[in-house]
Formats: sequence, structure tokens, C-alpha cells
Amino acid sequence: ELKVEQNPLFLSMQEGKNYTIYCNYSTTSDRLYWYRQDPGKSLESLFVLLSNGAVKQEGRLMASLDTKARLSTLHITAAVHDLSATYFCAVDRVYMNYGGATNKLIFGTGTLLAVQP
Amino acid sequence: EAQVTQNPRYLITVTGKKLTVTCSQNMNHEYMSWYRQDPGLGLRQIYYSMNVEVTDKGDVPEGYKVSRKEKRNFPLILESPSPNQTSLYFCASSLSRYRDSQANYGYTFGSGTRLTVV
Repeated sequence: ELKVEQNPLFLSMQEGKNYTIYCNYSTTSDRLYWYRQDPGKSLESLFVLLSNGAVKQEGRLMASLDTKARLSTLHITAAVHDLSATYFCAVDRVYMNYGGATNKLIFGTGTLLAVQP
Repeated sequence: EAQVTQNPRYLITVTGKKLTVTCSQNMNHEYMSWYRQDPGLGLRQIYYSMNVEVTDKGDVPEGYKVSRKEKRNFPLILESPSPNQTSLYFCASSLSRYRDSQANYGYTFGSGTRLTVV
């Protein structure tokens, strides 16, 4: 059974500092997503990582994927208050069942990021 | 606008009173899924559907039912809600993997339904 572990669960940062959120998963997968969620809101897609060594950057956020280590990281550079939110990684797998091939998205527990001025 | 629409956004109900949360998508997606979100547990899959009339259980299906009679709609039914079903619920849709082999579209999530069962 695929398990996705995310750490830390809670991260309090000062503005201007750097930090990394880690996402480990237990079996092979071909896609990994990072999402952002603001309080009471839906999930906003940040990145989709498709292959080993993939690196994507958007503003102060950079995501990477190491499929051999089954590890993805979300690096925050020079944090600002607007980045305060909960961040989820999610692993997407295709598997076979009676209906044919289907996909399943399995989420980590989330990291609550609080950026302090 | 491409979107997944969930209704209602907020619902307070009493134990045992049947309710339905609706989910509709306008992107002609084959795959639809329901998740519940609870603090410290992330999002857990309740049920999913690969296409019309094809549904299957996710990781936490107890106490829920679904149907997929049309491609665009995937309602979540709680026949006899209980307080442990108090949660934030999300519907999501995506193309089937063979139609989205390059992950150009990924998953689209609804706005969420906050359900409280008293």
C-alpha cells in the first residue's frame, strides 16, 4: 500500500529565511504533485513532477523529485508572509482493477507553514 | 470556465438525516473522486469513479455512497450521517491517464463542503 509521509507537520519561519519541506513515499510512482491550501479554501496546484531529477520553480518555491530515493522536496527561498498556508504533496499512481486502469492520488498529511514578520 | 462545482459549501445537519453533496464538472473528465480532509490526516479518498457507471471504494468508504449516472455528475450520499463524518469534503476530477499522458491538466478540485453532523 502506498504511503506518503510529509514533514514537518508545522513550520514557523521568519521572513527572509529559507526552509525545505520533505515528502517521502513508499512505492514507485510516476507523478507527484504539490498543492497549496489557504484556510477554508480549496487546493491550488503548484507543481507536477513527472520524472526523476525533475525540478520546477515558481517565484520563491522550488520543487524537486528523486524517484530513486522516493523523495520530493519543496524549498522555500526568502520566505514572505504571503506564503503562509498549508502545503500538501500527493503521489499519483496508475493501477489495474476490475474496471481497467485507474489513477489514484494519495496525499501526505500536509505542512502548515506560518511565516512571521 | 473549467471548474468543479460542489454544493452546498456549508451544511449543518442532525444525526441520521440523509443528505447529498453534489459535484459537477464541465471538462468532460472521465475520472472523479471524493475526499475528506481532517486535521493531521491530510485528504483521504472516499470513493472514485473511472467513468459512467463505474465506481469503486477508496480508503474510507464506510457510511458513504456514490453514483455516476452521467459523466459530469458524481454525488456523495450519506444515508445516515453520524458525528464522525463531520469533515471538509472535496470533489476532484481529471482526465483518464491515457488521455493526459503528459500531466497537462492534472486534477481539478471543487471549492469544498464543510459538513457538521450534530
